[in-house]
Amino acid sequence: SQQGEEDPQALSIQEGENATMNCSYKTSINNLQWYRQNSGRGLVHLILIRSNEREKHSGRLRVTLDTSKKSSSLLITASRAADTASYFCATRSGGYQKVTFGIGTKLQVIP
Amino acid sequence: GAVVSQHPSRVICKSGTSVKIECRSLDFQATTMFWYRQFPKQSLMLMATSNEGSKATYEQGVEKDKFLINHASLTLSTLTVTSAHPEDSSFYICSARGQEWGDSEKLFFGSGTQLSVL
Repeated sequence: SQQGEEDPQALSIQEGENATMNCSYKTSINNLQWYRQNSGRGLVHLILIRSNEREKHSGRLRVTLDTSKKSSSLLITASRAADTASYFCATRSGGYQKVTFGIGTKLQVIP
Repeated sequence: GAVVSQHPSRVICKSGTSVKIECRSLDFQATTMFWYRQFPKQSLMLMATSNEGSKATYEQGVEKDKFLINHASLTLSTLTVTSAHPEDSSFYICSARGQEWGDSEKLFFGSGTQLSVL
């Protein structure tokens, strides 16, 4: 089963609005990452938050992590049409090298 | 950041043929690369971990004789889909972990290969 599950699975907003995506996971993690994927392309790393961190910012991105609830959220402020993409959370657990991806949120920003 | 190049971006082949996909780390050495498969509107499913100079580690349910992985150098890993069938049609993506300080836990992805088997 998927370690991470994002919700909503699809989100449509107007340009300038904020977009919030959530991710839940099942097991303990070392860190949680968010990636972006444009249609038919590879993924691009956006931001990483460690298990001992609660919030992190990068430009218009804000990520929160609640390890007690095993959840994270990604906030994109002042969205732009170019933010249209799918967003995935990914988790790494224990000593394993592999990173497990959630099912993703497809964001559409309408100009 | 690290750059990963994947080729080809799209391939159409007949059923029964084999297809090779290349994944190169352009500005760094990648001792480990990861191969993922992605179906439309779904997440990435890890197929295998490719280790330079040794055998790949396959995830449960992935046929190693069907999906041959070779990681003969520190900058190149290849995935060969042998005797491809229509059900193998999918988007295949490779990735490598960053090598620079602060990047080691990030994955850098190739642009993916869309495989269509007729």
